Amino acid sequence: GAVVSQHPSWVICKSGTSVKIECRSLDFQATTMFWYRQFPKQSLMLMATSNEGSKATYEQGVEKDKFLINHASLTLSTLTVTSAHPEDSSFYICSARDLSGGGGQPQHFGDGTRLSIL
Amino acid sequence: GQNIDQPTEMTATEGAIVQINCTYQTSGFNGLFWYQQHAGEAPTFLSYNVLDGLEEKGRFSSFLSRSKGYSYLLLKELQMKDSASYLCAVRDRDYKLSFGAGTTVTVR
Repeated sequence: GAVVSQHPSWVICKSGTSVKIECRSLDFQATTMFWYRQFPKQSLMLMATSNEGSKATYEQGVEKDKFLINHASLTLSTLTVTSAHPEDSSFYICSARDLSGGGGQPQHFGDGTRLSIL
Repeated sequence: GQNIDQPTEMTATEGAIVQINCTYQTSGFNGLFWYQQHAGEAPTFLSYNVLDGLEEKGRFSSFLSRSKGYSYLLLKELQMKDSASYLCAVRDRDYKLSFGAGTTVTVR
């Protein structure tokens, strides 16, 4: 089945640091990838839609200058949390939709990145 | 946008059946998905409904009624490994998913 790889899985860093998270579709091409954030005991909240070769689309309330998204190829999207602060600590998850898959072409999720800002 | 409601918690015994209900209000329905999420892990895809009716996949089945804005996920022959959070998600015409808060199922 479709596999999405996300790296790193865990990051601990000081306040003010910028952190880059990578999301790769391993066995399929993804023109669109999605970035979510999940706080403890809450559901996934969509942050932005990453589009290959064009600008990302951000959800209301998400600062595009804070969360930089680059979708440079059909298999890679990156999310950079710039000048991270403790309130940015969360579980960040990416997903990609396999257009060649059947069954509704579901989004397949990476393993997530747990970000802790000290 | 989407407004998605599902119960917070359910508990059942091993071997039993549990039904998790999900109601939604949507602007542009394009499919409903169920995902399973174990603590600290990413969600994994379970089922998809876009037309009314029941979709069966082994021990898991999912039902959809578009006119009622209602779906359920049925888990049969519960096993300990089924203890997890189950997320109902509605897709819109831009292929974006909106998730419910999740139902934590505990199997005893």
